[in-house]
Amino acid sequence: EDQVTQSPEALRLQEGESSSLNCSYTVSGLRGLFWYRQDPGKGPEFLFTLYSAGEEKEKERLKATLTKKESFLHITAPKPEDSATYLCAVQADSKSTFGDGTTLTVKP
Amino acid sequence: EPEVTQTPSHQVTQMGQEVILRCVPISNHLYFYWYRQILGQKVEFLVSFYNNEISEKSEIFDDQFSVERPDGSNFTLKIRSTKLEDSAMYFCASSPGQGMTLHFGNGTRLTVT
Repeated sequence: EDQVTQSPEALRLQEGESSSLNCSYTVSGLRGLFWYRQDPGKGPEFLFTLYSAGEEKEKERLKATLTKKESFLHITAPKPEDSATYLCAVQADSKSTFGDGTTLTVKP
Repeated sequence: EPEVTQTPSHQVTQMGQEVILRCVPISNHLYFYWYRQILGQKVEFLVSFYNNEISEKSEIFDDQFSVERPDGSNFTLKIRSTKLEDSAMYFCASSPGQGMTLHFGNGTRLTVT
């Protein structure tokens, strides 16, 4: 059975304080690893797709990396508007399996 | 930018009633999905749909649930006899191909009383 574990469960940062979120996974036949952002009451919003170990993607203050067992979402100099829940998901076959998410709070 | 739209945004129903949740996926996408999220819990896969048939379903997706693509644009989830534990946020998603990015709608909050 595919499993996704995210840590930490919650993260509180000061504005400008960089950090990383972790996503560990076990999956048979990984088709892709996805990072999403979810704001309260909204659907997950796509951030990145990673397909193979060693791959990296960047967007503004976010950078996602992938190894054979885990993925990191690095947040550089975060701002209060980066506060959200960040979800990691792995896709095998026809479905995506999500982790519990990391709720990030960035204080000004 | 094209988006997935879901209606209604909030549905309240009594236990035992049937509900239909509606979704309009992105027009050139081929794969369609339903996920649910119980308050405070993770996003859970329900069903995937391709080429007018179910390609995969989870244990949650029992005989009470069904999906349909009645025309070229809509994708529906029907729950025949709702239970209290069906209360959740239901998300529709679509993707252009298998293993490609899921694009989610903003969900329908289903409350069963």
